[in-house]
Amino acid sequence: RKEVEQDPGPFNVPEGATVAFNCTYSNSASQSFFWYRQDCRKEPKLLMSVYSSGNEDGRFTAQLNRASQYISLLIRDSKLSDSATYLCVVNIDRGSTLGRLYFGRGTQLTVWP
Amino acid sequence: GAVVSQHPSWVICKSGTSVKIECRSLDFQATTMFWYRQFPKQSLMLMATSNEGSKATYEQGVEKDKFLINHASLTLSTLTVTSAHPEDSSFYICSARDLRTWGRVNQPQHFGDGTRLSIL
Repeated sequence: RKEVEQDPGPFNVPEGATVAFNCTYSNSASQSFFWYRQDCRKEPKLLMSVYSSGNEDGRFTAQLNRASQYISLLIRDSKLSDSATYLCVVNIDRGSTLGRLYFGRGTQLTVWP
Repeated sequence: GAVVSQHPSWVICKSGTSVKIECRSLDFQATTMFWYRQFPKQSLMLMATSNEGSKATYEQGVEKDKFLINHASLTLSTLTVTSAHPEDSSFYICSARDLRTWGRVNQPQHFGDGTRLSIL
């Protein structure tokens, strides 16, 4: 079983739409959670960390449910520039896995005009 | 903000050539750096963990004699793909985390720009 599972999509939505991505992780000892964004042929860039209480950054809202080991990302009022692959990333950060990130395969989003 | 510089960004070379990729943390120290590989339409896969002053830790299935890692200082790790073949063509990315953030949760890693390796 993979450490992080994501629906690969693709999601194709019009500008202004609201879109939600989901992710599950298998290791209950996971401590840190992130959403990264990766544009085609580029390196991943941090979009936001995910906190247990949920957090919002402008049009982006992230939620974490530790009981069900589930992470979500909600994008409101989608822009053309939001088109990218969104990576769910988990860090166990303990013992032999210290600092190691586990990546989901990514969810592809295309926003059309 | 924290910056990781990776060089070169693009390499095209003949089969059998060895290719060296550098990863530098520009404004922070990193005792540990990570090397990933990404094939088209797939996720990043960790190849190895580079440890300053000691041997790298390789993931299962990654040949340590094929992918040589050297982490000689707190700001530089190098990955050398020895005798590269077409199947080694991929996108290689390094990441590093500021030494000062170890032990704190939700501290992100910083990625280099990646190196696109094409072996003919």
